[in-house]
Amino acid sequence: DSGVTQTPKHLITATGQRVTLRCSPRSGDLSVYWYQQSLDQGLQFLIQYYNGEERAKGNILERFSAQQFPDLHSELNLSSLELGDSALYFCASSVSGLGLNTGELFFGEGSRLTVL
Amino acid sequence: GNSVTQMEGPVTLSEEAFLTINCTYTATGYPSLFWYVQYPGEGLQLLLKATKADDKGSNKGFEATYRKETTSFHLEKGSVQVSDSAVYFCALSSAGNNRKLIWGLGTSLAVNP
Repeated sequence: DSGVTQTPKHLITATGQRVTLRCSPRSGDLSVYWYQQSLDQGLQFLIQYYNGEERAKGNILERFSAQQFPDLHSELNLSSLELGDSALYFCASSVSGLGLNTGELFFGEGSRLTVL
Repeated sequence: GNSVTQMEGPVTLSEEAFLTINCTYTATGYPSLFWYVQYPGEGLQLLLKATKADDKGSNKGFEATYRKETTSFHLEKGSVQVSDSAVYFCALSSAGNNRKLIWGLGTSLAVNP
């Protein structure tokens, strides 16, 4: 158990809809990262938050947005969903924003999104 | 820019066989290098790491040596078990103030009894 909690574990929805994925980081971790994993694209970094502020942005579509709340949990919002958005979405957390060069991330078990 | 290249899978081995999964990188400065493992139905977890040249990371019988001269960080295990079946990801942490993890595409390993 990594200590990172993601909900929901599975989600099935239709094209055009909007969903929210939630992540609670490990206790004491200030950074949250969102990743998308699909068979054809591999593991894609979407966005990172550190202590409530956006720290880094990856290949995140404009239809997607995220935020980190004062209690450090994070939400990833996916809107105007398309079939190609079907994937496993992982949240990870770390103590710092990699400033200590440890690079160690703790991953949740993921939220599997299926868009029909 | 920085990048990580892993050997393509899937890799299929018999139990007790020797495993090598190749990983090479391109980076400026002195990155840290990592291997993560993803077991079926689970999230990724750190397997081992090395933070400077010639360092050897090891865990659960797996080893990888940070080779700056060949820009490589190959993962090895002398005798694999069925329970090692998973996807293995090589990654580097770029140096500098804007550190982030750069990931390889992952290599799937299946170990047959």
